[in-house]
Amino acid sequence: QKEVEQDPGPLSVPEGAIVSLNCTYSNSAFQYFMWYRQYSRKGPELLMYTYSSGNKEDGRFTAQVDKSSKYISLFIRDSQPSDSATYLCAMSATGANNLFFGTGTRLTVIP
Amino acid sequence: ETGVTQSPTHLIKTRGQQVTLRCSSQSGHNTVSWYQQALGQGPQFIFQYYREEENGRGNFPPRFSGLQFPNYSSELNVNALELDDSALYLCATQLGGSGTSTDTQYFGPGTRLTVL
Repeated sequence: QKEVEQDPGPLSVPEGAIVSLNCTYSNSAFQYFMWYRQYSRKGPELLMYTYSSGNKEDGRFTAQVDKSSKYISLFIRDSQPSDSATYLCAMSATGANNLFFGTGTRLTVIP
Repeated sequence: ETGVTQSPTHLIKTRGQQVTLRCSSQSGHNTVSWYQQALGQGPQFIFQYYREEENGRGNFPPRFSGLQFPNYSSELNVNALELDDSALYLCATQLGGSGTSTDTQYFGPGTRLTVL
């Protein structure tokens, strides 16, 4: 079993839709949760960073962490064609020096 | 832009050869991590260097090795290349800190390695 599971998609939505991306994990030591966006032929770019459980909002993006269910989500409101990319969840434990990534979900927003 | 650069952009090698990939980061980013991203997969941690010393390693064999230099540049070396080594290799740097993943990691664009 992988430590982090993420539905690879692909996911296609019309412009303006609300997008929900999710990951589950098995390691209860994970305390730090991140979402990265990766455009084709580029490196991952940090979108959201959350510690422990709760919600965090930044513009059109909302990250949710439910540690009791070992489940994290990223919501994108009013999706735009420029949001078309692969979205990677990542997480780590306190004091750890590496990130554990999901496989990534490929999102296409259709104009 | 993250200020992290990698070279070369693309590389083609044959099985059994050796390869060196390079990463350069901003001043003060004294922690660098290397990741391997196979096609359709998320990045997997290879190892991390902090102040020129290895500071943690993932599940990769010893033929994967690295160096970090005082000028905030680093290298990933892979010996005896295998077909499965074909992947995008990413470096990620962190500003100061102790090398823990709580510090934001800034990724470079990657080097795409193809092993034939």
